[in-house]
Amino acid sequence: QKEVEQDPGPLSVPEGAIVSLNCTYSNSAFQYFMWYRQYSRKGPELLMYTYSSGNKEDGRFTAQVDKSSKYISLFIRDSQPSDSATYLCAMRVSSGSARQLTFGSGTQLTVLP
Amino acid sequence: EAGVAQSPRYKIIEKRQSVAFWCNPISGHATLYWYQQILGQGPKLLIQFQNNGVVDDSQLPKDRFSAERLKGVDSTLKIQPAKLEDSAVYLCASSLEIGPQNTGELFFGEGSRLTVL
Repeated sequence: QKEVEQDPGPLSVPEGAIVSLNCTYSNSAFQYFMWYRQYSRKGPELLMYTYSSGNKEDGRFTAQVDKSSKYISLFIRDSQPSDSATYLCAMRVSSGSARQLTFGSGTQLTVLP
Repeated sequence: EAGVAQSPRYKIIEKRQSVAFWCNPISGHATLYWYQQILGQGPKLLIQFQNNGVVDDSQLPKDRFSAERLKGVDSTLKIQPAKLEDSAVYLCASSLEIGPQNTGELFFGEGSRLTVL
C-alpha cells in the first residue's frame, strides 16, 4: 500500500464549476499537508499549506484536512481555464532531520472554457 | 529573486550511456533535493542534501546513480549506466532550513527531461 493515495483523474470540468481533489494517507506521523500545482513541463509550485485539521481558505481555493480519517481535499471554486494543471498532494512528518515530502501521484485537471 | 536553475532541460541517450544533470538552488537555501518524476506519477525523492552533507539517500539506486553537492551550493546528479526505466523528469528543489518561522516550502526548478532509448 502506498503511503499517499490520490484520485488519479484525469478530471475535465466546465469553467465556473467547483472542483474537488482528494488524497488519503496511511502514515499517521504526517502532520503537514500541502497542495502543489504543476503546469505542463514545469516544476511543481506550492499552492496551499496546512497543519491542523479543518479548513483553510485562500481566494478560490480551500484546503481541508481530516486527520482522524487520514483524508485531505482541495476545493477550487469558480474554476478557470488557467487552473488547468496537475495537482499534487504532499505531506511530511513534523520532526526528524529529513522531513522530506511524500507526494501523491497527481490529478490532472482540465477546465474547459 | 532567481529561482532554481537546472540544465539541460532535455536529454536523449541510449541505454548504458551516462548522463549528468546540474542544479543551482536559490541563493541562501541550505537544503537541496533531487526528485525523480516518472510520467503520470508524483515526484519521488532520490537524495536530500543539507549544505554539502547527505541527509537521506535511501531511495537512490546507488549502483547507477550518484549525486554530489560541492561547497554546499550547486549539485550534480549522474546516472551511469542508464536503463530504459530511468526515463523521467529529474526535478531539483531547494528550501530554507525548516523552522518555526517558515514552512519548509520546496521551490522546484523546471526539471531535466531524460529519455533513454
